[in-house]
Amino acid sequence: AQSVAQPEDQVNVAEGNPLTVKCTYSVSGNPYLFWYVQYPNRGLQFLLKYITGDNLVKGSYGFEAEFNKSQTSFHLKKPSALVSDSALYFCAVWGKKSSGDKLTFGTGTRLAVRP
Amino acid sequence: GAGVSQSPSNKVTEKGKDVELRCDPISGHTALYWYRQSLGQGLEFLIYFQGNSAPDKSGLPSDRFSAERTGGSVSTLTIQRTQQEDSAVYLCASSYRLAGGFKETQYFGPGTRLLVL
Repeated sequence: AQSVAQPEDQVNVAEGNPLTVKCTYSVSGNPYLFWYVQYPNRGLQFLLKYITGDNLVKGSYGFEAEFNKSQTSFHLKKPSALVSDSALYFCAVWGKKSSGDKLTFGTGTRLAVRP
Repeated sequence: GAGVSQSPSNKVTEKGKDVELRCDPISGHTALYWYRQSLGQGLEFLIYFQGNSAPDKSGLPSDRFSAERTGGSVSTLTIQRTQQEDSAVYLCASSYRLAGGFKETQYFGPGTRLLVL
């Protein structure tokens, strides 16, 4: 079975500081990894994904994520946080050899950026 | 272009009543997904449609839940005899679904917030 862990329910950071939202995963075979963001009363918006290739993936709104196979992690990062980045962030994974055919989402991490 | 749309945006119903939630996917997307997001929970997969294939219903929590997709486009999620624990946000997503698995990006609608009294 595949799984995703987002160990922090909430991350607090000051505007202008770097931010990291953590994600670890467990799958069979090579993983496909995604980050989505959810603003209040909105659906999920795609940020970035890792399929293959470079371990550092760049996405929307200045976010990036680093795939680390040995640590089975896919942490989301941004060099300088904005107040407008405050939202709920979801990591998701699908393993190419997983039984079943669907993405598994983490429980989400709420990012709060203070001015 | 137009994104995924869902209706209604909010639905309040009484316990025991049936509800229908609608999803209009992005034009041309072959795959359509339904998820449930309960307060403080992650996304719970419900059902997945791909083209004309039989849907993957493995995530439906009970036989009170059903979904159909007509003409490979619009989908309706039906909850019969609603219970208070059905209260949640129901999200729909669509994507291209090519051979090789779930590497295609899913695009989500704004969701339907269901409250069962």
